[in-house]
Amino acid sequence: AQSVAQPEDQVNVAEGNPLTVKCTYSVSGNPYLFWYVQYPNRGLQFLLKYITGDNLVKGSYGFEAEFNKSQTSFHLKKPSALVSDSALYFCAVRDLTGANNLFFGTGTRLTVIP
Amino acid sequence: DAGITQSPRYKITETGRQVTLMCHQTWSHSYMFWYRQDLGHGLRLIYYSAAADITDKGEVPDGYVVSRSKTENFPLTLESATRSQTSVYFCASSEKGGGANTDTQYFGPGTRLTVL
Repeated sequence: AQSVAQPEDQVNVAEGNPLTVKCTYSVSGNPYLFWYVQYPNRGLQFLLKYITGDNLVKGSYGFEAEFNKSQTSFHLKKPSALVSDSALYFCAVRDLTGANNLFFGTGTRLTVIP
Repeated sequence: DAGITQSPRYKITETGRQVTLMCHQTWSHSYMFWYRQDLGHGLRLIYYSAAADITDKGEVPDGYVVSRSKTENFPLTLESATRSQTSVYFCASSEKGGGANTDTQYFGPGTRLTVL
């Protein structure tokens, strides 16, 4: 079965500093991995995905994620955090058994401190 | 460009009542999904649909019913609401067919349901 884990419930970072939100995955086969962001009282917004190809994936709002097969990780990164990046971030992996649904992690709340 | 909408955005109901949450998308996406979001669980799949008249259970389907008579609509019904169904419900849709946006799910704004 596919699953993802987000080991940190909360990440705090100072504005201007680089940020990392961690995600590890467990799949049998090649993973399809996603990052979504949720702002307060809003739905989830797609940030980026890894399907195949380059291990460094670039996405919306200056975010990028690095796929690491040996460490089964897909960490989300940004070189310089903004206060407006404060939100709830979800990592997800696609179900490879036939349905097109996603299995989500429990989320990481990112707070960027001015 | 309306995208994907949900109604109502907020709903308070009582235990035992039937409640229907609506989801409508304007992209003609083949796949549609219902998730619930609860603290400590992230999002969990309730039901999904691969096309009109094709639905299947997800991780937590008990107590819910879905239908999909038209591609653009995917209502979720709680037949007899329970307090444990208090949650935020998200509808999502995605394309089918191998294009660049295949597999990417696009989410509605959510419905916050409280069962008293």
